[in-house]
Amino acid sequence: DGGITQSPKYLFRKEGQNVTLSCEQNLNHDAMYWYRQDPGQGLRLIYYSQIVNDFQKGDIAEGYSVSREKKESFPLTVTSAQKNPTAFYLCASTIGERAEAFFGQGTRLTVV
Amino acid sequence: GQNIDQPTEMTATEGAIVQINCTYQTSGFNGLFWYQQHAGEAPTFLSYNVLDGLEEKGRFSSFLSRSKGYSYLLLKELQMKDSASYLCAVLESNYQLIWGAGTKLIIKP
Repeated sequence: DGGITQSPKYLFRKEGQNVTLSCEQNLNHDAMYWYRQDPGQGLRLIYYSQIVNDFQKGDIAEGYSVSREKKESFPLTVTSAQKNPTAFYLCASTIGERAEAFFGQGTRLTVV
Repeated sequence: GQNIDQPTEMTATEGAIVQINCTYQTSGFNGLFWYQQHAGEAPTFLSYNVLDGLEEKGRFSSFLSRSKGYSYLLLKELQMKDSASYLCAVLESNYQLIWGAGTKLIIKP
């Protein structure tokens, strides 16, 4: 079955450490996105990529980095520069102009 | 600027009907989505409106008025499993999605 796989589902990070969240899709979608969701808030866009080897900053890119070396993969690194990284992170992909978003299961990151 | 407004929380009774409203001000418009999100899970697609009018899909319907910048999601014959957050999202002219904060719907027996 086609879909988007995020891993891990739960992640704990010590302060000062970088961590990388994985996102893989086999839907053959061109565009991929990373969102952050905090309690009681909507989805906020961190980074997005519309084609391989190209990506753009979203509204809250500071303290995060991404790569898009393959169409199927769009990993997100949460760096030590991100001062408040505890959140629920969602990866999504879209295809075509309608841009219906398909989501992975999410990764809940907690700083300990 | 960009803005999407939804009520923060609503309560309804099992078996009843509830309407969740969404108003928006965005940079252009290429469609409006409704998603359902259960606690701790990813959003799942419910509906898409790009033309004015009502789209019906089983117990769920979604309405759009582009001139008013307004949409609603109508849920009929409410079931306990409908307890979730409902997210409104607008596809802007640059094909980026702008998300509302979501409406938490609580269903009581």
